[in-house]
Amino acid sequence: QVQLVQSGAEVKKPGASVKVSCKASGYTFTSYGISWVRQAPGQGLEWMGWISAYNGNTNYAQKLQGRVTMTTDTSTSTAYMELRSLRSDDTAVYYCAREFGIAARLRTDYWGQGTLVTVSS
Amino acid sequence: QSALTQPASVSGSPGQSITISCTGTSSDVGGYNYVSWYQQHPGKAPKLMIYDVSNRPSGVSNRFSGSKSGNTASLTISGLQAEDEADYYCSSYTSSSTPHFGTGTKVTVL
Repeated sequence: QVQLVQSGAEVKKPGASVKVSCKASGYTFTSYGISWVRQAPGQGLEWMGWISAYNGNTNYAQKLQGRVTMTTDTSTSTAYMELRSLRSDDTAVYYCAREFGIAARLRTDYWGQGTLVTVSS
Repeated sequence: QSALTQPASVSGSPGQSITISCTGTSSDVGGYNYVSWYQQHPGKAPKLMIYDVSNRPSGVSNRFSGSKSGNTASLTISGLQAEDEADYYCSSYTSSSTPHFGTGTKVTVL
């Protein structure tokens, strides 16, 4: 069965970086993309970006451009999301999700369990 | 781009039908047939309920249906059940070649 398993919770200081992993299983990794979505406490969903596991093409939300990098390792079927220069308002649960189709359309049929990233001094 | 506008809350009694609206512009909802709907229970990951305006993924109940008219998309839940109580989010592709979410709607089953 399709599974996306994310890395564990992180606590970071302002200005630091965090890298969240998302290990996929149960399907051909390179046949789908991965979208990353975050949700601040008590708030709505925010799309962060997308990466094609086929060719590594990326598409990032404008507000995160320059601070976020998404990568994949096809040898381990793992996607990564790194966010730099962390601020307190980056505190959120970060989700990876399998995206079907060839681009970022938020057609995401399987989701990871979420990773809580807390940014606090 | 601003988030898509959804009502903050919608409620209904068991067995009734409710409709959640998702209002955007011609640069998102009105311009593309890439509207999705997600259900999220507290503390859980979102679940895809509808994609491409009106398509249901395998395993999603046919009590959930989607439609679009102009710049507004809608999710209808018929035969409302207690388990439908959750937050619902719409999303749409945009002219910036990126997608974005709606503001979210809390559905309460009375």
